[in-house]
Parts: sequence; structure tokens; C-alpha cells
Amino acid sequence: EAGVAQSPRYKIIEKRQSVAFWCNPISGHATLYWYQQILGQGPKLLIQFQNNGVVDDSQLPKDRFSAERLKGVDSTLKIQPAKLEDSAVYLCASSSTRTVSYEQYFGPGTRLTVT
Amino acid sequence: AQSVTQLGSHVSVSEGALVLLRCNYSSSVPPYLFWYVQYPNQGLQLLLKYTSAATLVKGINGFEAEFKKSETSFHLTKPSAHMSDAAEYFCAVSFSGGYNKLIFGAGTRLAVHP
Repeated sequence: EAGVAQSPRYKIIEKRQSVAFWCNPISGHATLYWYQQILGQGPKLLIQFQNNGVVDDSQLPKDRFSAERLKGVDSTLKIQPAKLEDSAVYLCASSSTRTVSYEQYFGPGTRLTVT
Repeated sequence: AQSVTQLGSHVSVSEGALVLLRCNYSSSVPPYLFWYVQYPNQGLQLLLKYTSAATLVKGINGFEAEFKKSETSFHLTKPSAHMSDAAEYFCAVSFSGGYNKLIFGAGTRLAVHP
């Protein structure tokens, strides 16, 4: 079974520029998550999708971050405009609703550096 | 509200020594508990999980953890450390009815020296 795919793996941009990240979850997984992991910290949930719909975006900075999940499969996370404090690893994860604990499977992440 | 505290941001052990990584949680409802490992420049890999079945949970790579409700703890152990165990370890909690959002601790970096 293929894992969660993310691209790009690395991205360097200047502040005030825009950037987009792409995620392809494990086939059949209805739930998709985007996490932000700042250096030295644990991952923090930005947004959670159940199929096409958003179920939790309480910690998403909506003035600059946006995310969508088209047709309940792939997802993109966008930052516009980027700030220095957005430098982090952005992790995508997916889970199946068929397991009790909704165990999450993570992609390799995208490391963003904002200069 | 749910939260996770990992005691010790850095732990160093000798190869062959016991590994003990501490995790305490706070949850007003029965939790699901997880340990993830992260190697450099990689995503998170699930080591083991507790989902209200057996309190002693065995995971991959020889790791295990014990759920102790009275102590609100879920410490991770391995009897004998190997050089390849050097990585960052994260404890996380979720709960049924909360859309299973994972709340992570700050992580513990494990160093293994010869």
C-alpha cells in the first residue's frame, strides 16, 4: 500500500511571497490532516478534512493560510503572504474511519524556509 | 481539555542500556494514546498505540508502553538501546468524539552513544 505523498520536500521563499503544498493521502482514507511542526516542537494541527468538508480549522491562520481538498482525495495548503514565523515542516496525514482509534499515517513533510 | 507533557526534551543512553521516555497526559474522557518516532528529514512513524484494550502495549522495534490510568502516564520503554534508536519521539493523545484530533507533546530527542 502506498503511503502519504507530499510535494515539494523542500521550499525556500522570501517573506511576503506565496507558496503551496500538495498532499495525496492513502487510498480510501476519508480523513486528511495538515500539521505545522516548528523546530523543537511537536506537530500542531492546522486543519482536518473529512472527505470534502472541514471538521476542524480552529488553529489555521485564516488571514494567510488556506486549504482545500478536491473530490475528497488530494489536498493543497497555501500560504499567502508568507511570514518569517511560517518557517516549519508541514506534515500531511491521513486516516481511515474504519479503525476505532483513527490511526494517522504521516507523509515525509515539506520543509519551508522563509527568508 | 486534552494535553500531553513529555518530561525531558533530551535523553541520552548508552548502547544496550534501558530506554525510558516519559509521557503524562490530561484528558477528561478516556483517551487513545500514541507514540510516534521521527527520524531526521522524515515524517512520523507510529511505534505503538493504546486504544482501551490491554494496558501493556507492544510496538515495533522492541518498544513497549504501559497505560497507567491512576498516574495518567504512558511511558515508553525498550530494554536495550540500539544505535538506530536515535531519533525524536513524540507522545500524542486523541479521544473518541473529538474527530480524533491528535494532540502532541513537545517531543524527546533520544541520543544513543557507544
